[in-house]
Amino acid sequence: AQSVAQPEDQVNVAEGNPLTVKCTYSVSGNPYLFWYVQYPNRGLQFLLKYITGDNLVKGSYGFEAEFNKSQTSFHLKKPSALVSDSALYFCAVRDLGLDRGSTLGRLYFGRGTQLTVWP
Amino acid sequence: DAMVIQNPRYQVTQFGKPVTLSCSQTLNHNVMYWYQQKSSQAPKLLFHYYDKDFNNEADTPDNFQSRRPNTSFCFLDIRSPGLGDAAMYLCATSREWAQGETQYFGPGTRLLVL
Repeated sequence: AQSVAQPEDQVNVAEGNPLTVKCTYSVSGNPYLFWYVQYPNRGLQFLLKYITGDNLVKGSYGFEAEFNKSQTSFHLKKPSALVSDSALYFCAVRDLGLDRGSTLGRLYFGRGTQLTVWP
Repeated sequence: DAMVIQNPRYQVTQFGKPVTLSCSQTLNHNVMYWYQQKSSQAPKLLFHYYDKDFNNEADTPDNFQSRRPNTSFCFLDIRSPGLGDAAMYLCATSREWAQGETQYFGPGTRLLVL
């Protein structure tokens, strides 16, 4: 079974400081990993994903994530946080199912991490 | 330009009164999904369509139904809403079902049940 853990419910950081939002995963094969951001009363916005290749993935709004296979982690990072980055962040993993008609192939979300960037 | 559109953004209904939420997409994606999200929790997949093939999650209540009359539109019908069905309902699409495909979400419909 696939699973995602976001060990921190909340992350607080000062504007201009680097930020990290942590994510660890458990899959039975090669992982397909995603980060989404959600602003209040809005849908999820795609930030970036890891499929294969370079372990450092660059995404939208200056975010990047580092895939670490040995630590089964996919932490989201940004060198300099903005107040406007304050939002709920979800890590997700896609499982290995190829059969469209089964529950395999679904996206498994972590519980989310609330990021607050204070001025 | 909006790619996944959900209407209405806010919906108020009465306990037991059927309600329909709608989703449309301009991406011409094959797959459309409906998620339920409660109060800062992770989204929970209710069902998805691959083209016209409907796939229900095992734990989705019978109270929830869906229709996809064409590629662009998908509807979520809640036949008899209960207080516990108050939530944000998110529609998403992806080009294909393959593992690496990105799901693109609409802005959501917040449902309030009185």
